[in-house]
Amino acid sequence: AQSVAQPEDQVNVAEGNPLTVKCTYSVSGNPYLFWYVQYPNRGLQFLLKYITGDNLVKGSYGFEAEFNKSQTSFHLKKPSALVSDSALYFCAVRAPVAYSGAGSYQLTFGKGTKLSVIP
Amino acid sequence: GAVVSQHPSRVICKSGTSVKIECRSLDFQATTMFWYRQFPKQSLMLMATSNEGSKATYEQGVEKDKFLINHASLTLSTLTVTSAHPEDSSFYICSATPGTGRTDTQYFGPGTRLTVL
Repeated sequence: AQSVAQPEDQVNVAEGNPLTVKCTYSVSGNPYLFWYVQYPNRGLQFLLKYITGDNLVKGSYGFEAEFNKSQTSFHLKKPSALVSDSALYFCAVRAPVAYSGAGSYQLTFGKGTKLSVIP
Repeated sequence: GAVVSQHPSRVICKSGTSVKIECRSLDFQATTMFWYRQFPKQSLMLMATSNEGSKATYEQGVEKDKFLINHASLTLSTLTVTSAHPEDSSFYICSATPGTGRTDTQYFGPGTRLTVL
């Protein structure tokens, strides 16, 4: 079974500083990895995904994530944080292509990390 | 592109009544739609996966007779919470994928806040 760990419940960063939100995963085979952001009382917005290819993935709103297979990590990063980036961030993994059984499209989410950017 | 809507955004109902939540993909055809439930300060828990024209697949522990899912068209899925009770109060979120490949992104609706009195 696949799983996702977001070790930090909350991350605080000063506006203008770089930010990192950590994510590690456990899955057999090559994973599909996603980052989503959720604002209060809203659904999830897609930020970026890693399927294959370049380990550094660039996404929406200046965010990027680096896939590290040896460390089974997919940390979300941004060079300069904005106050408007304050939200709840979810990392998710989908079963690899070798798995073709029921639930092939299902996403498994981490518990989420609350990011607070301080003015 | 890839917009998913949900209706209603909020609903308050009395215990014992049924509530229907709609999920629509506005600018793409969604072969597969998912329904999630999110408790306060917790992650999303997948309830069921629905494919257009076929019965939904429910996750373990989710009562299929209580949470009725219909995916009658490629742009609409509905979740009906039957005989709702206060413990069903939650934030329900749907997502949809074009389903043209397993690398497709799931696009999420804005969610529906259900409060059962």
